[in-house]
Amino acid sequence: GQNIDQPTEMTATEGAIVQINCTYQTSGFNGLFWYQQHAGEAPTFLSYNVLDGLEEKGRFSSFLSRSKGYSYLLLKELQMKDSASYLCAVRDSNYQLIWGAGTKLIIKP
Amino acid sequence: GAVVSQHPSRVICKSGTSVKIECRSLDFQATTMFWYRQFPKKSLMLMATSNEGSKATYEQGVEKDKFLINHASLTLSTLTVTSAHPEDSSFYICSADPGLAFYEQYFGPGTRLTVT
Repeated sequence: GQNIDQPTEMTATEGAIVQINCTYQTSGFNGLFWYQQHAGEAPTFLSYNVLDGLEEKGRFSSFLSRSKGYSYLLLKELQMKDSASYLCAVRDSNYQLIWGAGTKLIIKP
Repeated sequence: GAVVSQHPSRVICKSGTSVKIECRSLDFQATTMFWYRQFPKKSLMLMATSNEGSKATYEQGVEKDKFLINHASLTLSTLTVTSAHPEDSSFYICSADPGLAFYEQYFGPGTRLTVT
């Protein structure tokens, strides 16, 4: 079966750095996505990785290793507004998105 | 950027009635739209994939006679929850795919359905 694993919840301090990991086992691979979702709102796109390596976009970076079936989302200089759920999703060989359960990130002052 | 609207944002209905939710891509054409539902503190669950001009493809376990999907144009897909029951109460989210030239799906803001 297809499976995406990510931690259920993480806590970090304002101004610090946090890394959210995601491991996947899917039928084929056509890219990995990270989305941010605030409570009661729809997901918003953060990043896309299809090749191995690090993609940096401001305070957020995303890393991919296809051979290990592994990705992480790195958030720097954490702000209170970063408190949200972070969803990892993989596009499989049928171009269907397989979603992880999401990681709830709690930022403390 | 691409914008997807969803209407209504919130709806409360009585058990046994039907509710229609609209999903529109405002500034692009979407040959494919997706309907998700999300329970509190849970991830997105794909309900169906909707292709313009053809029947929707439903995921296993989703009743196609209960969740009617129509994708009549390249910018509009509708989800109708028929004979709604309290267990249908959920957050319904649509997304639109502009095509393979783009890599991300664009999400609507979601519809909170409460069935009393």
